[in-house]
Order: sequence, then structure tokens, then C-alpha cells
Amino acid sequence: EVQLVESGGDLVQPGGSLRLSCAASGFTFSDYWMGWVRQDSGKGLEWVANIKQDGSEKYYVDSVKGRFTISRDNAKNSVYLQMNSLRAEDTAVYYCARVYLATFHYWGQGTLVTVSS
Amino acid sequence: QSALTQPPSASGSPGQSVTISCTGTSSDVGGYNYVSWYQHHPGKAPKLVIYEVSKRPSGVPDRFSGSKSGNTASLTVSGLQAEDEAAYYCSSYTGSNSPYVVFGGGTKLTVL
Repeated sequence: EVQLVESGGDLVQPGGSLRLSCAASGFTFSDYWMGWVRQDSGKGLEWVANIKQDGSEKYYVDSVKGRFTISRDNAKNSVYLQMNSLRAEDTAVYYCARVYLATFHYWGQGTLVTVSS
Repeated sequence: QSALTQPPSASGSPGQSVTISCTGTSSDVGGYNYVSWYQHHPGKAPKLVIYEVSKRPSGVPDRFSGSKSGNTASLTVSGLQAEDEAAYYCSSYTGSNSPYVVFGGGTKLTVL
């Protein structure tokens, strides 16, 4: 069974940093692109970032470019999202997902990031 | 404002059929057959119910079907059941690396 478990969400002040983690199991992690998608206050979903199987390609939504970094450790079956210079508008539930052909086939349950003073 | 347009709500009685629309442009929905639909119950992980316009993942009942015409994709849920009550989101590939995928604003499906 495919499982994705996110962690690391917290309350952080504007301008602060946070690192999200996603532990994967139930599939050959190194065979798949992985991504992060966020949901703002129960509203719409927004794709945040993707990373290729070997980490050689990474893509980001414009609003997080230069502030967020996606990475992965295939030995640990984990993908990460380093978030710097956080803003109030980054407040959301962040989901980790397995990606294939522009489809998020499996999702985790999400981790809440709140940016507030 | 979401890139894809969905009605905020839809409803139907048990056993009935409901169709949810998802309207984009020729740069996303109309340009590629990479339209997906996700079911999201509050507090749970979103679940893929339709991918590549009309394909169903294993384990998803055949009551769920998808289609596309021009710039509008549709999700139809037939034989509505109580457990179908959830939010449904569409998404589409954009042909670009950023944004890679765009989502609709979501439709809350209520089973009356």
C-alpha cells in the first residue's frame, strides 16, 4: 500500500523558515517524480513544486521561486520542502504527492503551515 | 482566483447522477488530455478518481466517469451514494514547467 506521511508543519513568524518532510513507503520511491501541493484555508489547491527521480530537475510555482527548495533522499525514501522567507500567504496545508504524467496519483494527509506573528 | 473554473456546489439525491464541469482554456484543458479529478473528504488525503480525462484508477467505482469537450472537462458521478459527498477538484497540465499543473477551485458535492 502506498503511504505518504508529511511532517514539519508549524506556526512560524513572517520571514522565518521551515522544513517539511514526506516519508514514502509501499512503492519504489526512486522510480517516481514527487511533488508538493498546498491548500489555503480549505479553498483551492495550488501546485508548489516537483522533483525528478534523481533530483536533477526541479520546478516551482512562480510565487515560491527563490524562497522554497525541493529535495529528496532516495536512500531514505523521503522528499523535503525547505521554505525560507515565509509570508502570510504561504499559510496552507501542504500535501506531498507522487507524480506521474501531470497527475498526482497518491497524496499524504498534509501538514499545516501557519505564518503569523 | 483559480485557473480552472468549477461550480462551487452541486447536489443530488442517492441513486441520481451529478455532473461537475471544469472550464479552462486551450492552453490547459483544451490543449492536453491530462485532466484529472480528485475527491477530498475533510481531514483526509485527496484521492485520485479520474486521470487522463477518462481513466479510472484501480479501486475507483465505475460510477465515476470523466469526459472532455473543447476547453471544458466534466466529472459524472452516477448512482450517488452518501460516501460520495466530498469536495471535487479538477486539474490540468499546462504544457509548461511553471505552473506545471493548474487546479480548479473545487466543487462541494452534497448528497441530499
